[in-house]
Amino acid sequence: ETGVTQTPRHLVMGMTNKKSLKCEQHLGHNAMYWYKQSAKKPLELMFVYSLEERVENNSVPSRFSPECPNSSHLFLHLHTLQPEDSALYLCASSQEVTGGYEQYFGPGTRLTVT
Amino acid sequence: GEDVEQSLFLSVREGDSSVINCTYTDSSSTYLYWYKQEPGAGLQLLTYIFSNMDMKQDQRLTVLLNKKDKHLSLRIADTQTGDSAIYFCAEMRDKIIFGKGTRLHILP
Repeated sequence: ETGVTQTPRHLVMGMTNKKSLKCEQHLGHNAMYWYKQSAKKPLELMFVYSLEERVENNSVPSRFSPECPNSSHLFLHLHTLQPEDSALYLCASSQEVTGGYEQYFGPGTRLTVT
Repeated sequence: GEDVEQSLFLSVREGDSSVINCTYTDSSSTYLYWYKQEPGAGLQLLTYIFSNMDMKQDQRLTVLLNKKDKHLSLRIADTQTGDSAIYFCAEMRDKIIFGKGTRLHILP
């Protein structure tokens, strides 16, 4: 257990569905991240939140919409996804965004878009 | 190149040492990391090294850093079945950049 939980662990959705991924960290960290992990590709950083403000958006399509209501919770809202969006979505948190830091990862949500 | 490079697979006999190699991209990277990902789990930070260090040892793990060649390695002594996982090298530039991961397979 890393102190970062994600729900659901598995999600199958159609291209017209709307769903949300949830991440919660119990570590008192100030920064939270969403990553996409696809087969045979490096981890892709999607979004970064620091003190509940979005500080980075790595050219992610608008069908992915993050929300950070407080420093402990992070959501990723999904709508009209494409099959190529099927991947493992990892949430992470850290004490600070810049400088030396350690990111603690959740177990991920395995998303399949049909 | 722009990518953090790692070989995709490594097979090692149980009890032998495993050496996982990585080439990173930016000589000014301040921190270099090794993460471990077991099946069905997220990434777990194994160890990290500051760029002003050449070596760091932590129990069975030894990290070697060659800044001139931008080469990072992770040695796991006495490899055990529980070490079977994907190992990710990462560097800290303005953000953390990961390699594609090396899948370590343990042979009996």
